[in-house]
Amino acid sequence: QKEVEQNSGPLSVPEGAIASLNCTYSDRGSQSFFWYRQYSGKSPELIMSIYSNGDKEDGRFTAQLNKASQYVSLLIRDSQPSDSATYLCAVERAGNNRKLIWGLGTSLAVNP
Amino acid sequence: DGGITQSPKYLFRKEGQNVTLSCEQNLNHDAMYWYRQDPGQGLRLIYYSQIVNDFQKGDIAEGYSVSREKKESFPLTVTSAQKNPTAFYLCASSIRRGTDTQYFGPGTRLTVL
Repeated sequence: QKEVEQNSGPLSVPEGAIASLNCTYSDRGSQSFFWYRQYSGKSPELIMSIYSNGDKEDGRFTAQLNKASQYVSLLIRDSQPSDSATYLCAVERAGNNRKLIWGLGTSLAVNP
Repeated sequence: DGGITQSPKYLFRKEGQNVTLSCEQNLNHDAMYWYRQDPGQGLRLIYYSQIVNDFQKGDIAEGYSVSREKKESFPLTVTSAQKNPTAFYLCASSIRRGTDTQYFGPGTRLTVL
């Protein structure tokens, strides 16, 4: 089992729809979770961080964290073609050797 | 204007040559990181540094070397010992290591000819 798993996609949604991206992780001690967006050929840029169970909203983006079920998700409301990118989930590995563990990313295509 | 810069954007290397990738940040961050990204493999940590004059190997350090003589700078040298260096190299920084958000530079794409 990979430490951080994401569905590689591609996930295709029509413009204006809600895109739902999911990420599961294996380390029950993880406390910090991040979503990054990466356009083709560019570097990752932070969308949102989340540390507590529940929802965290920022504009059209909502991150959802469920530590008991070990998943974190990202919802994108009113999806736009400019949201077409790869979305990376990163989870902090707890313990003495703290570092971020990265998922392989989910490719999202928003169709006009 | 704060941020992380990497240079060059594109780099071509002949086999057997060492090359150095530059990473500079003016965010006053203590921690800096180097990642390598290959298609289908995600981000892999090469080296990281928590403070000046200290750095640690990541998951794939073989064939790479770094230095951290200044807080702002964390150059990566890709040596001839790295057998498959063609990749997209990303530098990142965070306020501290561990739970802090990492911010990325624009990346350097290295191609071995």
